[in-house]
Amino acid sequence: DAGVIQSPRHEVTEMGQEVTLRCKPISGHDYLFWYRQTMMRGLELLIYFNNNVPIDDSGMPEDRFSAKMPNASFSTLKIQPSEPRDSAVYFCASSLSGGGYGYTFGSGTRLTVV
Amino acid sequence: SQQGEEDPQALSIQEGENATMNCSYKTSINNLQWYRQNSGRGLVHLILIRSNEREKHSGRLRVTLDTSKKSSSLLITASRAADTASYFCATRTNSGANSKLTFGKGITLSVRP
Repeated sequence: DAGVIQSPRHEVTEMGQEVTLRCKPISGHDYLFWYRQTMMRGLELLIYFNNNVPIDDSGMPEDRFSAKMPNASFSTLKIQPSEPRDSAVYFCASSLSGGGYGYTFGSGTRLTVV
Repeated sequence: SQQGEEDPQALSIQEGENATMNCSYKTSINNLQWYRQNSGRGLVHLILIRSNEREKHSGRLRVTLDTSKKSSSLLITASRAADTASYFCATRTNSGANSKLTFGKGITLSVRP
């Protein structure tokens, strides 16, 4: 398996623009997580899905953020409109269910909003 | 909010020495996990220890868990320059099938050649 695949690796956009980050989890994993990492706040869980259904989105900072998982092999995180404070590295991770498994992380998308 | 707090925040050692990193947490857990993150990369799962386990080994890694003190330690023996990375502990709470991992802020380990 190629692991968790995220695209793009880097994104530079202007304030106010829409940004879409993409993730392909490991085949067979039924949990998918979106994290944001900054120096100030560390790793923050934004939202996670189980069997394509959003379970907990309490970490989504504002209504400007939305996430979807239309099928088991694809998820998107959208920011509209983007702001400079959204600049961070966004990670997608997937896992098997059962609680006794670790997460497999993608390589992340480094987002810079200017 | 951070459930796990790692200590120290940064550690610098010579190649060949052992590195010990600590993690403390606040609430009851189902398991505790350690991850490594190389610069510019995603996190990599290293080891998982369940709440009913006290010690676990994987290669040069040794993890201990003391649930009475709500703490864990990660020992890397005979360190190598390639071990230079950030290390995170993550806790999974006992809040049901949909519980999630909460990560600490990480420890930066530098291994000097």
